[in-house]
Amino acid sequence: NAGVTQTPKFQVLKTGQSMTLQCAQDMNHEYMSWYRQDPGMGLRLIHYSVGAGITDQGEVPNGYNVSRSTTEDFPLRLLSAAPSQTSVYFCASSTGTGVGNQPQHFGDGTRLSIL
Amino acid sequence: SQQGEEDPQALSIQEGENATMNCSYKTSINNLQWYRQNSGRGLVHLILIRSNEREKHSGRLRVTLDTSKKSSSLLITASRAADTASYFCATVRTAMDTGRRALTFGSGTRLQVQP
Repeated sequence: NAGVTQTPKFQVLKTGQSMTLQCAQDMNHEYMSWYRQDPGMGLRLIHYSVGAGITDQGEVPNGYNVSRSTTEDFPLRLLSAAPSQTSVYFCASSTGTGVGNQPQHFGDGTRLSIL
Repeated sequence: SQQGEEDPQALSIQEGENATMNCSYKTSINNLQWYRQNSGRGLVHLILIRSNEREKHSGRLRVTLDTSKKSSSLLITASRAADTASYFCATVRTAMDTGRRALTFGSGTRLQVQP
């Protein structure tokens, strides 16, 4: 059972480039979310989805887009990368659709550097 | 500001000793969750305690919740070197301006268990 899989594990971009961070889960979870983690800080919620076709913004959504065409996949798009987006990005999933009502299953993260 | 804040920021103990970490939060909650993060990995869920529970156990872990003080503690008994990790508490926070709810993490306690 793979759980939550994130690709790539590492990425270096130049300012202004765009890219998509991939996230897939094989647990048939309705709820999926993206967080960023900066040094010495907790995780901040970027976007989340309560099911296919339904997404909403979290605390820090600017500069990021998401879509949810299937239950399994929840890609995160950086539209025009900026150095402030250098961070470690985590995807998480859980059963149910209520925010924070169930344990979250996390991927191992994508480490992104913007030059 | 963070909904949940852990204390202390860092803790170093010897193997076999107990480790206690605290979490304080600001607003009322339905539940509080504790996670562990090993270096370079994603977060792993440890325990979810609901607002009507005062104490919960899982193996060597004991979590308490005091809703009157808006605080929780995580106790790891008979610690092992493998317990070396960062520990985070998480609660749901509702943004006052948008009404959006987000699972919010503190900045964590870094636990070092010396063999």
